[in-house]
Amino acid sequence: DIQMTQSPSSMSVSLGDTVTITCRASQDVGIYVNWFQQKPGKSPRRMIYRAKNLADGVPSRFSGSRSGSDYSLTINSLESEDVADYHCLQYDEYPLTFGSGTKLEIK
Amino acid sequence: EVQLVESGGSLVQPGDSLKLSCVASGFTFSNYWMDWVRQTPGKSLEWIGAINTDGSKTNYAPSIKDRFTFSRDNAKTTLYLQMSNVKSDDTAIYYCTRNYGGYDYWGQGVMVTVSS
Repeated sequence: DIQMTQSPSSMSVSLGDTVTITCRASQDVGIYVNWFQQKPGKSPRRMIYRAKNLADGVPSRFSGSRSGSDYSLTINSLESEDVADYHCLQYDEYPLTFGSGTKLEIK
Repeated sequence: EVQLVESGGSLVQPGDSLKLSCVASGFTFSNYWMDWVRQTPGKSLEWIGAINTDGSKTNYAPSIKDRFTFSRDNAKTTLYLQMSNVKSDDTAIYYCTRNYGGYDYWGQGVMVTVSS
């Protein structure tokens, strides 16, 4: 199975910060990585698809990138509504696998 | 508007059976593969399987293979997850997801608790 190693597991951040979360794939998954935001008590919401594409309705302060087997989600000028858990997903092959998640907390 | 609405979550005992449903609306259900994903109390997300558009093919994660069965009724736009011989490790929130572009839509999730 493909492992998605996500880091950090948690981050203490301030409003206005630039935040970067990374997932490293254990083997080639091409562009087939998505990022999801999950708020307490809610289901995940797709934010980025195919590594770098913004999903519908997602603010432009969110972006995705890829460097080799490393995939990153960046949030510029963090706003209070961005405080949530974030998960990456590889969907290049079954079994689809998720990263272990990153929890953003306000300092 | 695309909607996925799960139901059937419950508190069950180890070894019991349970059936979850997911009613889809707002899109042509029969055109999409559908997946089930679960989230444990520790918050990790786990893919548990997929079913193709007409229900003739399924793909199960090893953790649930031979215990869980996926099915669908395209006329009723409903997805099913039949759980049998449940274990404490199956305690989780269960989500149905539309498998397009890596899960573009998710249901609200249902809680299944396995405890004696």
